[in-house]
Amino acid sequence: EADIYQTPRYLVIGTGKKITLECSQTMGHDKMYWYQQDPGMELHLIHYSYGVNSTEKGDLSSESTVSRIRTEHFPLTLESARPSHTSQYLCASSESGYEQYFGPGTRLTVT
Amino acid sequence: LAKTTQPISMDSYEGQEVNITCSHNNIATNDYITWYQQFPSQGPRFIIQGYKTKVTNEVASLFIPADRKSSTLSLPRVSLSDTAVYYCLVGDRNNAGNMLTFGGGTRLMVKP
Repeated sequence: EADIYQTPRYLVIGTGKKITLECSQTMGHDKMYWYQQDPGMELHLIHYSYGVNSTEKGDLSSESTVSRIRTEHFPLTLESARPSHTSQYLCASSESGYEQYFGPGTRLTVT
Repeated sequence: LAKTTQPISMDSYEGQEVNITCSHNNIATNDYITWYQQFPSQGPRFIIQGYKTKVTNEVASLFIPADRKSSTLSLPRVSLSDTAVYYCLVGDRNNAGNMLTFGGGTRLMVKP
């Protein structure tokens, strides 16, 4: 089994708060990804990284930002949360890019 | 990445074999076919990948005809725990810049 972790698993916060969703992997994968998925809907790539100090935006516009200072760590930050940010956020890592290992996800609710 | 088309949903009963077909008419020479499984409230999980003919592992079999314009994921003797969304993806697995486009997937419901 892949070792990729996300915290918190569930988060309920008020509008305007700054939040950081954590993602860590112990497999030494260079490639890491953040996806957003609403219940029953498709996954959408919002950010990806091919290595330390490399980050790019995905195909779905997002107001979040990411950083990649260490190989194993890929946090996602929302500077000012809004109800429209309510969703599930999934982190993944990969060696090849094609076989991705997903974390358990963070379910975010912004009130 | 090649576009894929698969049924939105399927129903089955415990113990039956389930076959989910995916169409990918514009598959390229270097493209592989990969299937992921996603349970409710979890991230997707890689289950099988193939290039041509047949691939089998402990979870499923993947059948790919000679023209590679479609593929069939076969789940033998499904149980209730196989209820999930199954995604078919096509792309060049050797492309370091690969990104996955999951699409809507096929929602499989296994009934008792």
